[in-house]
Amino acid sequence: EIVLTQSPGTLSLSPGERATLSCRASQSVTSNYLAWYQQKSGQAPRLLIYGASSRATAIPDRFSGGGSGTDFTLTISRLEPEDFAVYYCQQYGSSRRFTFGPGTKVDIK
Amino acid sequence: EVQLLESGGGLVQPGGSLRLSCAASGFTFNTYAMSWVRQAPGKGLEWVAAISSSGAYTYYADSVKGRFTISRDNSKNTLSLQMNSLRAEDTAVYYCAKLASPSTTSAFDIWGQGTMVTVSS
Repeated sequence: EIVLTQSPGTLSLSPGERATLSCRASQSVTSNYLAWYQQKSGQAPRLLIYGASSRATAIPDRFSGGGSGTDFTLTISRLEPEDFAVYYCQQYGSSRRFTFGPGTKVDIK
Repeated sequence: EVQLLESGGGLVQPGGSLRLSCAASGFTFNTYAMSWVRQAPGKGLEWVAAISSSGAYTYYADSVKGRFTISRDNSKNTLSLQMNSLRAEDTAVYYCAKLASPSTTSAFDIWGQGTMVTVSS
């Protein structure tokens, strides 16, 4: 089973700053089947990125995904007030198992 | 509008059973794989089960295998999760999620608002 590790656990930044979130897999993610989700308090998760770097429908272009193999990143180029949330990575290519990382909380500095 | 609406959550005693439902609307239900994901209070996301678009193939997390059963009724646009032998550690918000393709090799592009399941005596 692929285990995902996210870092940092918490990222404290100010609006307008750049956020870089990391997701590392215990083994190579098949075909870069790696997604990123945003979850705000009390809400369901929302898909941001799939296939490691493709933005989902209606996701602003300040969100970008990158990486391959075992190392992936989510970058928010300029934080807006509504971007402060928890972000999860997920792999969906391994033996019909879906693994989530533990999450990175982006909070206001 | 694409929508998923879960129901069936509640309080159940350890060892008991509960059946969750998810009503889908706004898309061609029988074209997409579906899944259940849960989130214990204050914790992260945990995948629970997935089912192919036809219902022919099902997949489970090790933590629920043998106790939970995922199913779908494509004639009623409904996804279900039958949960038996419930344990305290099954306490969580359960989300219904649509996969982005008929294949289970896909991200979860639409999520319901979740239904709370509490397992306690």
